[in-house]
Amino acid sequence: RKEVEQDPGPFNVPEGATVAFNCTYSNSASQSFFWYRQDCRKEPKLLMSVYSSGNEDGRFTAQLNRASQYISLLIRDSKLSDSATYLCVVTPYNFNKFYFGSGTKLNVKP
Amino acid sequence: NAGVMQNPRHLVRRRGQEARLRCSPMKGHSHVYWYRQLPEEGLKFMVYLQKENIIDESGMPKERFSAEFPKEGPSILRIQQVVRGDSAAYFCASSPPPGSGELFFGEGSRLTVL
Repeated sequence: RKEVEQDPGPFNVPEGATVAFNCTYSNSASQSFFWYRQDCRKEPKLLMSVYSSGNEDGRFTAQLNRASQYISLLIRDSKLSDSATYLCVVTPYNFNKFYFGSGTKLNVKP
Repeated sequence: NAGVMQNPRHLVRRRGQEARLRCSPMKGHSHVYWYRQLPEEGLKFMVYLQKENIIDESGMPKERFSAEFPKEGPSILRIQQVVRGDSAAYFCASSPPPGSGELFFGEGSRLTVL
């Protein structure tokens, strides 16, 4: 079983739409959670950390449900520049390794 | 450029040759991670190193692959006797002492095995 599972998409949405991505992780001992963004043929970059209480950064909201081992990312008012692959990332307490999901591809259309 | 530097950006090798990929972490970072990404797939953890120490190599194939991070100089991922299946993008990331949660990635080294 994979450590982190994501719906690969693609999600094709019009500008201004709200879109949500989900991610599940298998290890209940996982401690830290993140969303990274990867543009085509580029390196991943941190989008935001995910905190137990949920957190928001502008148009982006991340939620964590430890009981269900589930992480979500909500993007409001999608922009063309949001088109990318979004990677769910999970790490144990000692940060020895960061487990990446395969990513969910988002295409925002004009 | 204060970012993570990887070289070469592109490397072409014939089957059986050796590939050496180098990674210089960000200034002040002493932790390096190597990941492999196959086309249309996610990043697969390979190895986690600190200066002069391999902390976790559970993602490294048992044969042909090795990694080091010497006291001086860049971290090196070495692939001996490459095969076509080794063709991938190899990303290096560095982080400050564990706990920050953020990995800073280099632009990757794209290996093509003919």
